[in-house]
Amino acid sequence: GDSVTQMEGPVTLSEEAFLTINCTYTATGYPSLFWYVQYPGEGLQLLLKATKADDKGSNKGFEATYRKETTSFHLEKGSVQVSDSAVYFCASTSGGSNYKLTFGKGTLLTVNP
Amino acid sequence: DTGVSQDPRHKITKRGQNVTFRCDPISEHNRLYWYRQTLGQGPEFLTYFQNEAQLEKSRLLSDRFSAERPKGSFSTLEIQRTEQGDSAMYLCASSIGKETQYFGPGTRLLVL
Repeated sequence: GDSVTQMEGPVTLSEEAFLTINCTYTATGYPSLFWYVQYPGEGLQLLLKATKADDKGSNKGFEATYRKETTSFHLEKGSVQVSDSAVYFCASTSGGSNYKLTFGKGTLLTVNP
Repeated sequence: DTGVSQDPRHKITKRGQNVTFRCDPISEHNRLYWYRQTLGQGPEFLTYFQNEAQLEKSRLLSDRFSAERPKGSFSTLEIQRTEQGDSAMYLCASSIGKETQYFGPGTRLLVL
């Protein structure tokens, strides 16, 4: 079946550091790709998405580019803040399905002042 | 737009008991999804509805699980004869068609 593999955490950074969280997917065809974020004690929130190859999703300083040739959707932010501390999940729609999301295991990010 | 709501937020039950969770989607969202998330894992798809029709059930959804969406609005997920392995966070999401899924806060179930 389809799978999403993301960089294992936890990741600990100092404020203003550069962040990359790697994500690769196996879904065939043209899945949509997402990054969701889960802040402590809260539900999953959509951070950004991309629906076709070479699209760049962006929000709150975070970016990710849909790379079909490498089946990747890496999350980046140039300067993280303490408030970015959360668990980040990469997800894709499953091949042949436009509704079922397949998630990675999540990456815990802690940003220290 | 009040977001997706779920009730209860937490449930502790004894093994063998039945539990029922409720999800209220964003109004006018015709699709509703249930996922399960265990500790250290990402959410896993359980089932989905388009309006009142249940269109797919994951093989993760054993015979002890049943979900309904009787009027195409709120949905319930019932687990009969709970087992300790059912302990997890149960997430509900909704969407308009194939657009972005918006998640609720989840119901955390602990089976003792």
